[in-house]
Formats: sequence, C-alpha cells, structure tokens
Amino acid sequence: DTEVTQTPKHLVMGMTNKKSLKCEQHMGHRAMYWYKQKAKKPPELMFVYSYEKLSINESVPSRFSPECPNSSLLNLHLHALQPEDSALYLCASSQERSQPQHFGDGTRLSIL
Amino acid sequence: AQSVTQLDSQVPVFEEAPVELRCNYSSSVSVYLFWYVQYPNQGLQLLLKYLSGSTLVKGINGFEAEFNKSQTSFHLRKPSVHISDTAEYFCAVSEDSWGKLQFGAGTQVVVTP
Repeated sequence: DTEVTQTPKHLVMGMTNKKSLKCEQHMGHRAMYWYKQKAKKPPELMFVYSYEKLSINESVPSRFSPECPNSSLLNLHLHALQPEDSALYLCASSQERSQPQHFGDGTRLSIL
Repeated sequence: AQSVTQLDSQVPVFEEAPVELRCNYSSSVSVYLFWYVQYPNQGLQLLLKYLSGSTLVKGINGFEAEFNKSQTSFHLRKPSVHISDTAEYFCAVSEDSWGKLQFGAGTQVVVTP
C-alpha cells in the first residue's frame, strides 16, 4: 500500500481540455515533487515544493501549472497539452528535500 | 554535475539464483544514493538508501548494496531471487539538499523458473 495517493489513476483528455492531477500524503512530509515518466525511461523531475513553496521548476512548459494548497496536497493543472505529454505522472514526498522520496502509483495520462 | 550509469539494461536470472545490478555515478561532491524498484503499472518503491555511515546497506525484500567511494559505485545484490522480483530497478543519486534525484536508465530484471 502506497502512502502517497494520486488521483485519478488514468486520464484521457483532448488537447483543448483543462484537467488537474491530485496528490495527497499524510506522512507530515514537507517536500513534494512531480515527475514525468515515459515508457521504458526513468522518471524526470518537473517541480519541487518545499514547505509549500515552489523551489525548483525544471524548465517545464507553462501548460503544466503546479499548485500546493497545503502541506498534504499537491496539484498539477493541465491545459492545452500536446500528444507528446502522454506519460505516467508520478508524485513523491519526503521529510525534507535531501531525504528519501516516497512515490505514489502515478496517473497515466493520454492526450488525444 | 552528477550522472548515473546502470551498466545493464536487462538482466535475465533463474529463480533462486543470485543477482547483481551495477550502478556507477559521477559527482564532485558527497552524494546520497538510492535504489528504487518499479513493478508494472506501479510507482517507485524505495529498496534501500545510503546517506552516510556503514558502506554496506541492507534494504527490503532481502536486497543489499555496497557503497564504494573509490570506485564511485553502488551495486545492488540479492543472494536468491524470486519470480516476484521481476521488475525495473533504478539507481538514483542526489548530491545536494534541493532534492534533485538523478536516475539511471534502469535495469529490467526478468526472473524465470
């Protein structure tokens, strides 16, 4: 059982849609992360939040917009995505930024 | 800048045989080292970590790894694998306090009876 919960598990959307991915953890972790993983590849870091503030943006296109409403929640807002954005989106959390990261099971996103 | 090399993209192994997955890294500073496992259609699960202290690290599911600073390696081993160990294994390195994990390309372990 994963302690980082991601919803939805699957999402299919058109290029003009707006949707959001949600991530929740109740371990008291103060750092949260978004990763993108293409098939047969390792995860690629997108964003890092520390104490609810954005600390790293790995030059991610603006069609991806992260939000951290509180210390337990992390959202990723999606708008006008491209077919190449189809991937598994993983959320992770850690006690502090240098500590081991715990991953959710991801949201598998397909862009039509 | 840090980088991670996993030397084997796929490792076939028979059930109950030992397995070693190789990981080498390059960094000019002290690093934290991790091994993660990813089962099909799941996220990543932490197998073990090296943050400091003893260079032999024991993890979950009978896995262990040894940090070798002189050879900049962090190889993963298991003395006897099960069919359920079939998965993708990622070595990861973090060299700073910003939480940026650099992953290796991954090693697919396929265990057969």
